[in-house]
Amino acid sequence: IVMTQTPLSLPVTPGEPASISCKSSQSLLHSEDGFTYLDWYLQKPGQSPQLLIYRTSYRASGVPDRFSGSGSGTDFTLTITRVEAEDVGIYYCMQRLEFPLTFGGGTKVDI
Amino acid sequence: QVQVVESGGGVVQPGRSLRLSCSTSGFDFSTSGMHWVRQAPGRGLEWVAVIFHDGSKKFYGDSVKGRFAISRDNSKNTLHLQMNSLRAEDTAIYYCARAAGFSYGHIDHWGQGTLVTVSS
Repeated sequence: IVMTQTPLSLPVTPGEPASISCKSSQSLLHSEDGFTYLDWYLQKPGQSPQLLIYRTSYRASGVPDRFSGSGSGTDFTLTITRVEAEDVGIYYCMQRLEFPLTFGGGTKVDI
Repeated sequence: QVQVVESGGGVVQPGRSLRLSCSTSGFDFSTSGMHWVRQAPGRGLEWVAVIFHDGSKKFYGDSVKGRFAISRDNSKNTLHLQMNSLRAEDTAIYYCARAAGFSYGHIDHWGQGTLVTVSS
């Protein structure tokens, strides 16, 4: 499954909203359990990636509620309601519907 | 707290082998699936492999299938990645990562990574 993220680069302004798109080459809806297997990760500069969102819209523990995930089928969005300076980094989507698991190419967010 | 620490990286010649290890603590290793994910210098993330909690199932990325082998020792809370027939394009930081749940759940904890450089 090919994952395509847009934009590649996203300049943001603190306090303003921001959104990142992720599209998959086929639906990520699991036909048996009804979950959609799309996760979002953030890799801050010089750090390992960290989980933000799993199964499209479930916020990981400790993730601020300004982050939200939405979408279905093949189209997904990560939204930050009010960007903060600490949100800079590269955002990746990842599909876990089928093997091999695949990441999107990443979206670089900076101020 | 959950800790995941990789080791075993280094410089290796093309065609040679290298074995990475991942020591874990702070959680019940035997009930967690485990992933390896890599990142070439200046590039994005690439999923490498996953192993189920009991070692019963293993899956690989297309670029490493047949050359890499993931394994685990639940008695030692340790994950391994045996890398054979290494190529220049395998040069990357290799992250050990915990999956949520028994199998290939989302990655909820990542190690700091170990750098593998394949070069003559």
